[in-house]
Amino acid sequence: DTAVSQTPKYLVTQMGNDKSIKCEQNLGHDTMYWYKQDSKKFLKIMFSYNNKELIINETVPNRFSPKSPDKAHLNLHINSLELGDSAVYFCASSRKDVGGSPLHFGNGTRLTVT
Amino acid sequence: AQSVTQPDIHITVSEGASLELRCNYSYGATPYLFWYVQSPGQGLQLLLKYFSGDTLVQGIKGFEAEFKRSQSSFNLRKPSVHWSDAAEYFCAVGRAGAQKLVFGQGTRLTINP
Repeated sequence: DTAVSQTPKYLVTQMGNDKSIKCEQNLGHDTMYWYKQDSKKFLKIMFSYNNKELIINETVPNRFSPKSPDKAHLNLHINSLELGDSAVYFCASSRKDVGGSPLHFGNGTRLTVT
Repeated sequence: AQSVTQPDIHITVSEGASLELRCNYSYGATPYLFWYVQSPGQGLQLLLKYFSGDTLVQGIKGFEAEFKRSQSSFNLRKPSVHWSDAAEYFCAVGRAGAQKLVFGQGTRLTINP
């Protein structure tokens, strides 16, 4: 049973395209996140949602738009992809906040923009 | 603002040797501290966490970490490493009520046979 699953695992696309990454958690958690890991392995939060409500938006370009249809799903849509968007994107979830329960991560989506 | 520093980008140890990975944090109040491990092509797995209480915390896979407030440190240790411990290790800090973890830049651990 995969707790946090995200698809696709790999995504190769050209500049200017629009793409989506899907994430689902079956842990019953209230909060979901998107993190970006760059080529130097540095992890930085992009967004967090609590019960479908946007809580954190960390100065991410408007081309990135998260969507949470319900508290078990948090999708990431990226418009007009740029070379600098190439990274590994991790979805995560937690019960409420980082104090309530640790983050549970998906296995990541490696996005390559050519 | 919270910040985390992992001074060692890459560490190599021999199988069976002891291990210590360093983590220093900057935070005004009592932090919540975490160590995560990332194997190649995988997501991050929680090794252990410190919220309060006993400053020596035990985690999975034989790891432990000690919170030292005076040194703003939360170093990860293991008495005897196994080849399967080769991975990237991340220290992270958060606070009560927050929904954001700040991660260090990671330490890559290589195990020599």
